[in-house]
Amino acid sequence: EVQLVQSGAEVKEPGESLKISCKGSGYSFNTYWIGWVRQMPGKGLEWMGIIYPGDSDTRYSPSFQGHVTISADKSINIAYLQWSSLKASDTAMYYCARQVEGPNTSFDYWGQGTLVTVSS
Amino acid sequence: DIQMTQSPSSLSASVGDRVTITCRASQSIRTDLNWYQQKPGKAPKLLIYAASSLQSGVPSRFSGSGSGTDFTLTISSLQPEDFATYFCQQSYSTLPYTFGQGTKLEIK
Repeated sequence: EVQLVQSGAEVKEPGESLKISCKGSGYSFNTYWIGWVRQMPGKGLEWMGIIYPGDSDTRYSPSFQGHVTISADKSINIAYLQWSSLKASDTAMYYCARQVEGPNTSFDYWGQGTLVTVSS
Repeated sequence: DIQMTQSPSSLSASVGDRVTITCRASQSIRTDLNWYQQKPGKAPKLLIYAASSLQSGVPSRFSGSGSGTDFTLTISSLQPEDFATYFCQQSYSTLPYTFGQGTKLEIK
């Protein structure tokens, strides 16, 4: 069974750093892109970026480039999303999702989400 | 970025109704269009990929159509568990693979 399990909720202060994780199991983690999606409170879905764990090829949305870093450790089947200096506006639910490629490119499996709250 | 616009933003309907949600792309995306369902407090779930292909395990009352810039998601006979928010997403060649703003389907 394909599963993506994300790390738990975080409460941080502005200016702090944070790294959240997404662990894949039940499939060949190295051969599927993993994407990150932001959902701000009461809002829609925003595509942040994707990483191919096999070679760490990473692509970002221009809206998020420079604000977050996506990485992966293929030896332990984990993808990461990190911030070096959080802002209150980073408060959101963050989802990881597996991207299947081809004519059916889509996010077919999703993690349960990690709620990040940034507040002083 | 390719802009995706859904309509309506919200919709009230009754169990048994036939419902259609539309999604329009700012440029042609062939049939590179996906639909997701999200229930409160849950992660999105893939319903339809490549505009009209039903994801495994999704009930056949869900269907998708369209190509180019205009797409529709149809639920043929609403069930109580279908009340949720629906998002379209384009997966055409250019990143980012943007989402529509969502359509909230509520019980009338």
